[in-house]
Amino acid sequence: DARVTQTPRHKVTEMGQEVTMRCQPILGHNTVFWYRQTMMQGLELLAYFRNRAPLDDSGMPKDRFSAEMPDATLATLKIQPSEPRDSAVYFCASGLVDRVTEAFFGQGTRLTVV
Amino acid sequence: GQNIDQPTEMTATEGAIVQINCTYQTSGFNGLFWYQQHAGEAPTFLSYNVLDGLEEKGRFSSFLSRSKGYSYLLLKELQMKDSASYLCARNSGGYQKVTFGTGTKLQVIP
Repeated sequence: DARVTQTPRHKVTEMGQEVTMRCQPILGHNTVFWYRQTMMQGLELLAYFRNRAPLDDSGMPKDRFSAEMPDATLATLKIQPSEPRDSAVYFCASGLVDRVTEAFFGQGTRLTVV
Repeated sequence: GQNIDQPTEMTATEGAIVQINCTYQTSGFNGLFWYQQHAGEAPTFLSYNVLDGLEEKGRFSSFLSRSKGYSYLLLKELQMKDSASYLCARNSGGYQKVTFGTGTKLQVIP
């Protein structure tokens, strides 16, 4: 059963701490997305990777957020330093560049910064 | 969501039909998604419209009018399990830049 795996599922951290969220895309998928979901803003696109290369991270606060794909099986989203306003659910999704309808979401990481 | 509007909440009765509307900015438009998201879970794909018209898939149908920047999701024979948020999302740009609305929370009541 192919699925996108995200870890951790929940994270509570203190303001100022570094947070790293991980995503394992579905094997064979060549696109990876990071989204942030809040009640007020809904789902916001933070970053997009194609074949491990970042194509668009315009939705990501550059001063504190960074996204990487060290290899095809791992995508990471880091926040340093974290702030209370970063509290949200962070979703990773993966798909195939030529099959736009088949992007699958992971279960998300619920981040709380206190 | 950026330039995507849909009602915040709707309530409908089990067995009935409900239509969830979505309007979006037409510039750079490639296609329109609908996703379903149950509370505490990930969004799951429902439909993707590229051309004008109605596409039916079981109890769910999705309509698109590109000239009007308008879409709707039609749910028939509502079931309690259909209580969820329904997210309208626009695909634009040279790649899969998908922009989501804030979603419509649908409550199905007996």
